[in-house]
Amino acid sequence: KNEVEQSPQNLTAQEGEFITINCSYSVGISALHWLQQHPGGGIVSLFMLSSGKKKHGRLIATINIQEKHSSLHITASHPRDSAVYICAVRSRYGNKLVFGAGTILRVKS
Amino acid sequence: DAGVIQSPRHEVTEMGQEVTLRCKPISGHDYLFWYRQTMMRGLELLIYFNNNVPIDDSGMPEDRFSAKMPNASFSTLKIQPSEPRDSAVYFCATTTQGEFTNYGYTFGSGTRLTVV
Repeated sequence: KNEVEQSPQNLTAQEGEFITINCSYSVGISALHWLQQHPGGGIVSLFMLSSGKKKHGRLIATINIQEKHSSLHITASHPRDSAVYICAVRSRYGNKLVFGAGTILRVKS
Repeated sequence: DAGVIQSPRHEVTEMGQEVTLRCKPISGHDYLFWYRQTMMRGLELLIYFNNNVPIDDSGMPEDRFSAKMPNASFSTLKIQPSEPRDSAVYFCATTTQGEFTNYGYTFGSGTRLTVV
């Protein structure tokens, strides 16, 4: 079993829909990261969470440390949100990240 | 700042040849990470440096891979000899301890390596 599991693997949505991507992990962590990778390949850090919730524009990320689970929400989705969303966890020791396999999101207009 | 600069963007080489990938971190970033991304395995950490010193190279697949950081503004990842299974996108990412705590890394654009 992978240390970081994401669901769904693929997601297709209509423009305007509310989107949720889930991430579960099995190890103790000090932080969880959400990354976005666009079709061109570039990777952008979206959020770093150690507790609670963070919001940036239409993106909201939450984490439940006790349940070892995080969600990334996109409100009023748009075709430009189409990308791969990757969850990564940072162990309690050191600065290494362990990555999930990613969720491929396609938003249709 | 121009961000994390990787070169080349694309590299096509023949099996057995030596390949060198380069990374220039953001000025002031004292952590540098080399990642490899493949369809099968996703993103994997190869090695990371702190203050130019290799801290964890447990992800380096085998002796054919080596990485150096001779100074704070330059790092290389070398594969010698290259094999077709090394074909992947190699990312360099850099950060400071403070920035890592807040939002994570800044990634370079990656080098797409194809070994034929």
